[in-house]
Amino acid sequence: GAVVSQHPSRVICKSGTSVKIECRSLDFQATTMFWYRQFPKQSLMLMATSNEGSKATYEQGVEKDKFLINHASLTLSTLTVTSAHPEDSSFYICSARVDGPNTIYFGEGSWLTVV
Amino acid sequence: QKEVEQDPGPLSVPEGAIVSLNCTYSNSAFQYFMWYRQYSRKGPELLMYTYSSGNKEDGRFTAQVDKSSKYISLFIRDSQPSDSATYLCAMSGTGGTSYGKLTFGQGTILTVHP
Repeated sequence: GAVVSQHPSRVICKSGTSVKIECRSLDFQATTMFWYRQFPKQSLMLMATSNEGSKATYEQGVEKDKFLINHASLTLSTLTVTSAHPEDSSFYICSARVDGPNTIYFGEGSWLTVV
Repeated sequence: QKEVEQDPGPLSVPEGAIVSLNCTYSNSAFQYFMWYRQYSRKGPELLMYTYSSGNKEDGRFTAQVDKSSKYISLFIRDSQPSDSATYLCAMSGTGGTSYGKLTFGQGTILTVHP
């Protein structure tokens, strides 16, 4: 199946700094990608829909100025956590849709720890 | 009330047992129903996908959807220790970006012991 790659898989940053997470579709073009957050022992919560060439659509309660999403090409979407705080520590996962709902592929996830 | 409810378990079964995992939902707009398997600290992997009501079988896995009851199930036959993981149900509506916009259940932690 299609491959979605995330980088970095783990990152530790200091409180107040910004960190960028990349999500790449390796063998297909993705006009739409999705970013989820998962806290320990909890489910995945959709944060935003990333649209190539246009602004991301954020879910209710997600601060768009804090979680900057850029989808500059058909194979790359980035999530930047700005002015990170310890409560932003979480597992961030992206997904990309090739066609229908049975063609949604997830990345391996990125663990963010803010100290 | 959450849109999708899933018993988090944990569920522990002996090898060879039949496992039943379930989710209920409240949003009538959901048309696509998926089951994902997630190993610790990894991204989810799609196991089964069903459109609308009905059953689907794939090897040891059977997915059932009952839209009238807003209830979906995943059965695992002849469970193996390698099936130990967190199982997540997920759902989406139809049209445009709704296809990829998934609403997940909390996930059920399954352990199959030898």
